[in-house]
Amino acid sequence: GEDVEQSLFLSVREGDSSVINCTYTDSSSTYLYWYKQEPGAGLQLLTYIFSNMDMKQDQRLTVLLNKKDKHLSLRIADTQTGDSAIYFCAEIFTGRRALTFGSGTRLQVQP
Amino acid sequence: DAGVIQSPRHEVTEMGQEVTLRCKPISGHNSLFWYRQTMMRGLELLIYFNNNVPIDDSGMPEDRFSAKMPNASFSTLKIQPSEPRDSAVYFCASSFQGGKQYFGPGTRLTVT
Repeated sequence: GEDVEQSLFLSVREGDSSVINCTYTDSSSTYLYWYKQEPGAGLQLLTYIFSNMDMKQDQRLTVLLNKKDKHLSLRIADTQTGDSAIYFCAEIFTGRRALTFGSGTRLQVQP
Repeated sequence: DAGVIQSPRHEVTEMGQEVTLRCKPISGHNSLFWYRQTMMRGLELLIYFNNNVPIDDSGMPEDRFSAKMPNASFSTLKIQPSEPRDSAVYFCASSFQGGKQYFGPGTRLTVT
């Protein structure tokens, strides 16, 4: 069935790189997304990748897509305390327009 | 652009009362989505509209929930009667032609 899975928690030190991973089940989706949610706030669209791409870089963010393994990752370079938040990967499954979200990964950045 | 606007930001009500949540999508967007976020179930779609027409309401929990979109710039989600298990954060999002979805700040609903 339709499913998007993420690990629940990641802790890194300030200045290190963070890698948040996601696996999904629908290989025919067109776009995959990363959203950021800070405490008590809404979801902020961080970045997205088109399914025919392997990698997309946007400043400190790098998205890697492995379609064979149905694996998506978000790398944050030089992680800052302001990056502490919950990160959701999301996919639009075939035949739908709504997003299906993973459970979210809580990123904790230690000074 | 002001982004997606939701009101109220917080709502506390007693069980059995009617609750109405409001959303104004980004101007020019023609798809509108209502999502609910809870600790137990995460983020899940309730309903979405395309060009003001409800397309997929399979996520609406039961008949107590209803949603309307009378025009391109306004939508409501109504719960009547409300129950404690409806306590959650309700998000509205909008997009253009099924593209990137932009979320509002959410309405935190507490039903006592």
